[in-house]
Amino acid sequence: EIVMTQSPATLSVSPGERATLSCRASQSVTSNLAWYQQKPGQAPRLLIYGASTRATGIPARFSGSGSGTEFTLTISSLQSEDFAVYYCQQYNNWPLTFGGGTKVEIK
Amino acid sequence: QVQLQESGPGLVKPSETLSLTCSVSGGSIRSYYWSWIRQPPGRGLEWIAYIHYTGSTNYNPSLKSRVTISVDTSKTQFSLKLNSVTSADTAVYYCAAFNWKPGGFDPWGQGTLVTVSS
Repeated sequence: EIVMTQSPATLSVSPGERATLSCRASQSVTSNLAWYQQKPGQAPRLLIYGASTRATGIPARFSGSGSGTEFTLTISSLQSEDFAVYYCQQYNNWPLTFGGGTKVEIK
Repeated sequence: QVQLQESGPGLVKPSETLSLTCSVSGGSIRSYYWSWIRQPPGRGLEWIAYIHYTGSTNYNPSLKSRVTISVDTSKTQFSLKLNSVTSADTAVYYCAAFNWKPGGFDPWGQGTLVTVSS
């Protein structure tokens, strides 16, 4: 099983600032990596697939990068609606696995 | 666009079987790999299994011995059964559509909380 490790667990950021979230895979997942946003009481929402492609309707302030074992989600200028938990997920190998999440909170 | 809706009991007794159904609307059941994912309260996400309309399945090894996933193409539904449940199976259960291209789970159902308790 591929273990996905996200860091930091919690990120405190002021509105308008940049947020950088990391995700590391225990072995290569090539570019088969997705990012999700989850707000309290809601289902996760797909933000990024293929490590760097924004899903339909996702604002351009969200960007993904990386390949192999190291990935980054960047939110260029945090808006109030961006404070949430973010998960990475690999779909290169079975079983499909998620990272433990990074909570982005208001500083 | 595709919409998913979970249904089933919110309370299951220990050692019994958890049964959930996901209804698919707004799209073809032939278009995706239909999955179940769960999230214990306050914790992260765990993929459980997927099924394709052809009947092809794949299970998380950690749950494989207790899980059955099935699809009813005539009703555009797919279902999850998890037997011999314990309190560790208490979670919000989501159904979701998975595809290799473009990749990822999208969309998701709203989720349903299942509590295992006597």
